[in-house]
Amino acid sequence: EVQLLESGGGLVQPGGSLRLPCAASGFIFSSSAMNWVRQAPGKGLEWVSIISGSGDRTYYADSVKGRFTISRDNSKNTVFLKMNSLRAEDTAVYYCAKDIVEEPGPGSRMDVWGKGTTVTVSS
Amino acid sequence: SYELTQPPSVSVSPGQTASITCSGDKLGDKYAHWYQQKPGQSPVLVIYQDRNRPSGIPERVSGSNSGNTATLTISGTQAMDEADYYCQAWDSSSVVFGGGTKLTVL
Repeated sequence: EVQLLESGGGLVQPGGSLRLPCAASGFIFSSSAMNWVRQAPGKGLEWVSIISGSGDRTYYADSVKGRFTISRDNSKNTVFLKMNSLRAEDTAVYYCAKDIVEEPGPGSRMDVWGKGTTVTVSS
Repeated sequence: SYELTQPPSVSVSPGQTASITCSGDKLGDKYAHWYQQKPGQSPVLVIYQDRNRPSGIPERVSGSNSGNTATLTISGTQAMDEADYYCQAWDSSSVVFGGGTKLTVL
């Protein structure tokens, strides 16, 4: 069974940092690009970042560019989201989602999602 | 940046057909994908590459994409179809989601 398990969420002060891991199982991890998508309370889905299967290509939403970094460890089947300079507007449930393609592009879509981890940025 | 526009809400009677639109500049030249999200749950892919259904998605769920508009159609709508629906496309090295449509089955 394909599974994604996010962790690392919690309460953090504005300006602080957090790292979210997402552990994957049940598929060939290096053959899939991986996404992070967030959802603020009562709001819609917002794409955050994507990383290619090999890890050599990464893309970010403008709202997080320069503050967030996506990475992956294919030997541990884990993708990470490092979040710096956190703001109140970063408060959301963060989902890890498996892409159907290995290389980000027009065919990118998310066929498996984790249950999400909650990040709250507040003083 | 590229934008996808969806109506905030759509209502339908049980057994009738629901249509949810997603508009974007020359969206028909891109692939449109659709997700269903029920309260407290993670999103689920229901249509990919405009009109294809993943395994487990019923045949009454269909999609189309032409010109500037992609459409998700649910025939014979049931109470279990009540959910939020999001369209998604790829543009200029970014994944783009629509704002979402709440489907209410009255």
